[in-house]
Amino acid sequence: GQQVMQIPQYQHVQEGEDFTTYCNSSTTLSNIQWYKQRPGGHPVFLIQLVKSGEVKKQKRLTFQFGEAKKNSSLHITATQTTDVGTYFCAGRFNQGGKLIFGQGTELSVKP
Amino acid sequence: NAGVMQNPRHLVRRRGQEARLRCSPMKGHSHVYWYRQLPEEGLKFMVYLQKENIIDESGMPKERFSAEFPKEGPSILRIQQVVRGDSAAYFCASSPPEWGGRTEAFFGQGTRLTVV
Repeated sequence: GQQVMQIPQYQHVQEGEDFTTYCNSSTTLSNIQWYKQRPGGHPVFLIQLVKSGEVKKQKRLTFQFGEAKKNSSLHITATQTTDVGTYFCAGRFNQGGKLIFGQGTELSVKP
Repeated sequence: NAGVMQNPRHLVRRRGQEARLRCSPMKGHSHVYWYRQLPEEGLKFMVYLQKENIIDESGMPKERFSAEFPKEGPSILRIQQVVRGDSAAYFCASSPPEWGGRTEAFFGQGTRLTVV
């Protein structure tokens, strides 16, 4: 079936350290999106990647979409306590298709 | 422009009762998703709807669960004869038509269903 796999499940870092979460699909994705969910909250859209090899930056966050459009990553430089939450990738396998979420990576940041 | 509105925020039902969860999408959004989330787990896709049309219901359990998005009014996720295993957070999300190029999903606050 169509699945999006995300690792790691948990990541504990010291404030100031970097953080990366990875998503993989066995089949080509039409596009991939990233969301953040704070504890007790709801997912909030961060970014969408569409083109092969695309890289986008938002301040300390860097998002990449692989050349084959089968994998993606989110990298946070110099984490802060405000980065705490669960980061989800979500992919579409075809235009107009459903949005499938990865399992999420829960980030905790120790001050 | 109000965001995605879900109600109720919290719902307690006894085993065997029916649960009705409502979702009003953002203005101008014609597509609605329903997801289920168990504690410390990911978002499990349930159903994808357009007004008066079910696009994909491959994530819906075969029995007791149904969803609709009528021409007028909110989208409804209905769970009949609830069991304890139905306890979860149910999130609704809406998105604009894809022809606009923008396909991000805007989530509601969720409905926390507890079955006692």
